[in-house]
Amino acid sequence: AQSVTQLDSHVSVSEGTPVLLRCNYSSSYSPSLFWYVQHPNKGLQLLLKYTSAATLVKGINGFEAEFKKSETSFHLTKPSAHMSDAAEYFCVVSGFQKLVFGTGTRLLVSP
Amino acid sequence: DGGITQSPKYLFRKEGQNVTLSCEQNLNHDAMYWYRQDPGQGLRLIYYSQIVNDFQKGDIAEGYSVSREKKESFPLTVTSAQKNPTAFYLCASSIGGRGETQYFGPGTRLLVL
Repeated sequence: AQSVTQLDSHVSVSEGTPVLLRCNYSSSYSPSLFWYVQHPNKGLQLLLKYTSAATLVKGINGFEAEFKKSETSFHLTKPSAHMSDAAEYFCVVSGFQKLVFGTGTRLLVSP
Repeated sequence: DGGITQSPKYLFRKEGQNVTLSCEQNLNHDAMYWYRQDPGQGLRLIYYSQIVNDFQKGDIAEGYSVSREKKESFPLTVTSAQKNPTAFYLCASSIGGRGETQYFGPGTRLLVL
């Protein structure tokens, strides 16, 4: 069965510093992996998607993620945080007929 | 503009009452999904449908029901059997149903009076 583990429930950064949100996955086959972002009381928005074409995936708003099969990881990074990045982020793995969501990481950005 | 709409934004339920949450999409997607979101628990799948007139239970279907009479519509009914309905409900759709990218609506927050 597919599963994801988001290693941090909360991450705090200062504006202008790098962001790292960690995700490990488990899958019995080559998966598709996603990162979604959710701002308060809003729906989820797709940040980026990995589908085996390239291990480094670039997404919207300057985010990117690297697929590392040997480490079963798919960490999300951004070189410089902006105040508008404060939100909840979900790492997601594709399963049979559905997606499997992590429990989320709340990103806090201070001025 | 293509997208997914959910209504209402807020919904209040009285004890013993059934309530229905609306979800409509104009993306021409075959598959649609309902999720429940509680603080600190991520998203849990309630029901999903890959084609009109067919749907499957997700991980937490008890106390909920759905219908899929039209491709663009996938309403969710929260029945009186759901004893803890207070949550944020999200509807999503995808082109197909095999773990593809899902696109989400803005959500409905259900509160119990």
